[in-house]
Amino acid sequence: DTGVSQDPRHKITKRGQNVTFRCDPISEHNRLYWYRQTLGQGPEFLTYFQNEAQLEKSRLLSDRFSAERPKGSFSTLEIQRTEQGDSAMYLCASSLEGSSYEQYFGPGTRLTVT
Amino acid sequence: TQLLEQSPQFLSIQEGENLTVYCNSSSVFSSLQWYRQEPGEGPVLLVTVVTGGEVKKLKRLTFQFGDARKDSSLHITAAQPGDTGLYLCAGDRGGTYKYIFGTGTRLKVLA
Repeated sequence: DTGVSQDPRHKITKRGQNVTFRCDPISEHNRLYWYRQTLGQGPEFLTYFQNEAQLEKSRLLSDRFSAERPKGSFSTLEIQRTEQGDSAMYLCASSLEGSSYEQYFGPGTRLTVT
Repeated sequence: TQLLEQSPQFLSIQEGENLTVYCNSSSVFSSLQWYRQEPGEGPVLLVTVVTGGEVKKLKRLTFQFGDARKDSSLHITAAQPGDTGLYLCAGDRGGTYKYIFGTGTRLKVLA
């Protein structure tokens, strides 16, 4: 039984570089979410997909951020021209539409921008 | 604007004590979830409540959804060191499955 996986678990990058994170949801789950969590705070919603369609994006998701889920399975989150304020834990979650509202989270990718 | 406020923010107690964590909002939620998160890991779902006044029990944990579906509480009986972690509530406002998370309560249970 495989849960949600994320890769990499940790990423250190220099300001101005681009980074890409990957999320593999639970295989039968058609909904996929991205959240960002900073130290001492709860996760903040960024965006979500139903199958391959990106249905909603938060205003937190500036034009430097882009997310894709090309085949309705795994998803990638790219941050271009990273800034120090992008340092955070990026969490992915998945759920099954029509299920009892249950989201399952991955372990997260911790991004540090130096 | 923080829609879900949790209290207390921090709690340090001795093993065996009881505690209650609160999650409050002025908004109505279709459903509300409680998670526990350990350092460096993603949140783990504990329970989902959907009906006003609903009470759910998970071993030593008791969850209650307010009658008006604006607030919730988590009560832990006889806390153990393994209960240590960040407790998060999260609400869905309109059946969108887009969850708004609370500020979190960081619990430490001392042996």
